[in-house]
Amino acid sequence: AQSVTQLDSHVSVSEGTPVLLRCNYSSSYSPSLFWYVQHPNKGLQLLLKYTSAATLVKGINGFEAEFKKSETSFHLTKPSAHMSDAAEYFCVVSVLSGGSYIPTFGRGTSLIVHP
Amino acid sequence: GAGVSQSPSNKVTEKGKDVELRCDPISGHTALYWYRQSLGQGLEFLIYFQGNSAPDKSGLPSDRFSAERTGGSVSTLTIQRTQQEDSAVYLCASSPPGLAGSTDTQYFGPGTRLTVL
Repeated sequence: AQSVTQLDSHVSVSEGTPVLLRCNYSSSYSPSLFWYVQHPNKGLQLLLKYTSAATLVKGINGFEAEFKKSETSFHLTKPSAHMSDAAEYFCVVSVLSGGSYIPTFGRGTSLIVHP
Repeated sequence: GAGVSQSPSNKVTEKGKDVELRCDPISGHTALYWYRQSLGQGLEFLIYFQGNSAPDKSGLPSDRFSAERTGGSVSTLTIQRTQQEDSAVYLCASSPPGLAGSTDTQYFGPGTRLTVL
């Protein structure tokens, strides 16, 4: 079985300050991990993904995430927030089970960026 | 190129009626997923199609929900005898073929907002 926990339902930052969105997962096997972003009234878009290569993954728009197996974490970070980063962010774990790859989504973290 | 499209974008129906939601995946994508997103919730997996294999229906919440995929392309999600708790945004996603399916990026459609009165 697999599960993913996004530790914060809302994160509020000021423009220009760092962003940290936390994600912990549980999986019986080596997982693939993803972060997706959903802007208001827009579809979900892939930010980045980890697939057992480098543990530090760089994504679009300056975001990056580090896979830490010992901590079962895959936190999303960005050095400096921009107003356009305000959106809903989803952490996703995907593991082969019964011949299918069924992604499990976290409940989402709403990022609020203040001017 | 064209992305994943879904229709209708909005659907309002009365309790007890049947509804059909359509998904057109990206051409050549072999995997297709349906999800449900309720207000303030994450995405709930419903059903997964991969090529010509039998679909994984493990996420369907009741036997009122069914889906089919014709010719390995277009998919229709059908909800029979709709209930108010079925109100949600229904999202479709497709992925390209690959040996390591779990690493494939999902490309999402804009969703269908279903409101059951």
